[in-house]
Amino acid sequence: EDQVTQSPEALRLQEGESSSLNCSYTVSGLRGLFWYRQDPGKGPEFLFTLYSAGEEKEKERLKATLTKKESFLHITAPKPEDSATYLCAVRPAAGNKLTFGGGTRVLVKP
Amino acid sequence: DADVTQTPRNRITKTGKRIMLECSQTKGHDRMYWYRQDPGLGLRLIYYSFDVKDINKGEISDGYSVSRQAQAKFSLSLESAIPNQTALYFCATSDWTSGGMGDTQYFGPGTRLTVL
Repeated sequence: EDQVTQSPEALRLQEGESSSLNCSYTVSGLRGLFWYRQDPGKGPEFLFTLYSAGEEKEKERLKATLTKKESFLHITAPKPEDSATYLCAVRPAAGNKLTFGGGTRVLVKP
Repeated sequence: DADVTQTPRNRITKTGKRIMLECSQTKGHDRMYWYRQDPGLGLRLIYYSFDVKDINKGEISDGYSVSRQAQAKFSLSLESAIPNQTALYFCATSDWTSGGMGDTQYFGPGTRLTVL
């Protein structure tokens, strides 16, 4: 059974204080790892897809990396508007279902 | 206008009532999904459909049914609502990318359902 574990569950940062979120996964063949951002009361917003170990993608202050067992979402010099819950999900090589982690709630204080 | 819309956005109902949640999309995607989100349990797949004639159960389909009325419309029904179906419900769509790589799902704004 595919599993995704995100840590920490919650993260409080000062504005400008860089940090990383972890997404550990077990899946029978990875066809894609997805990062989403979710604001309270809203639907998840797509950020990145990573397909193979060693791949990296960046968007503004966010950078996602992938190894064979985990993915990191690095937040560089965060701003209060980066406050959100960040979700990680994996798609196996066989089958069509995404398995989501529980998310990391990030709060960036000014 | 939003690419994926859900109606209603909020609904309070009573145990035993039949409820329908609707999803429409203008992205032109073939694939549509229904998820529920509960605190501490993350997003869980209820049903998914790869085209109008294709319906598949997800991991928590008991107590739910779906209808794919058109490529752009996918509705979720709770035949007899119960309190533990209180949750946030999200519709998502995706389009199969070339090369068979993982297709990206795009989510609607959600429906907050409360069953009393």
